[in-house]
Amino acid sequence: EPEVTQTPSHQVTQMGQEVILRCVPISNHLYFYWYRQILGQKVEFLVSFYNNEISEKSEIFDDQFSVERPDGSNFTLKIRSTKLEDSAMYFCASSDRGHDEAFFGQGTRLTVV
Amino acid sequence: GEDVEQSLFLSVREGDSSVINCTYTDSSSTYLYWYKQEPGAGLQLLTYIFSNMDMKQDQRLTVLLNKKDKHLSLRIADTQTGDSAIYFCASNQAGTALIFGKGTTLSVSS
Repeated sequence: EPEVTQTPSHQVTQMGQEVILRCVPISNHLYFYWYRQILGQKVEFLVSFYNNEISEKSEIFDDQFSVERPDGSNFTLKIRSTKLEDSAMYFCASSDRGHDEAFFGQGTRLTVV
Repeated sequence: GEDVEQSLFLSVREGDSSVINCTYTDSSSTYLYWYKQEPGAGLQLLTYIFSNMDMKQDQRLTVLLNKKDKHLSLRIADTQTGDSAIYFCASNQAGTALIFGKGTTLSVSS
């Protein structure tokens, strides 16, 4: 069964460093998303991406965040200068028909120290 | 903003039925979802229901929707130890971002 894969599964980084979280969406999907979950809190929407551009973003997704689809298979989330409060589980998702029936990856746990 | 609330923990015995409850605030929600997360795994879509339905059954899973009270439940019949996981309720309007609850940890004892 096709699945969304995320790497790495766990990343530890120092405050102020840049991190790139990587995702390989399901191959025929056209819509891509990032969500995050801070420990003990809700899963929150960050950004959606369609047709090589951001289609929707939340207020969390500020100038420190960016997304890219550098080739036909990867979808990345970059955090330019990480803060302690960026520590969270980051989930990538993809869909062939918008947010409905989105398939999620297993998540990358980001720890900022 | 819109919100989704669910109880945090549920403990049941193997073979019993589990009922996980959820309330949501967005009366314009088009879809309501249940996701399952096992340890170390992603969010697996279990089932979803359109807001114009009041019940959906899929094998051991029954979803009930009370649109008037904005209340959604997931019933798992004959709960097994393999059903132990975190269950997330989510809602959205068609094509918009999912709004998730905090998740209910289901613990099944043998």
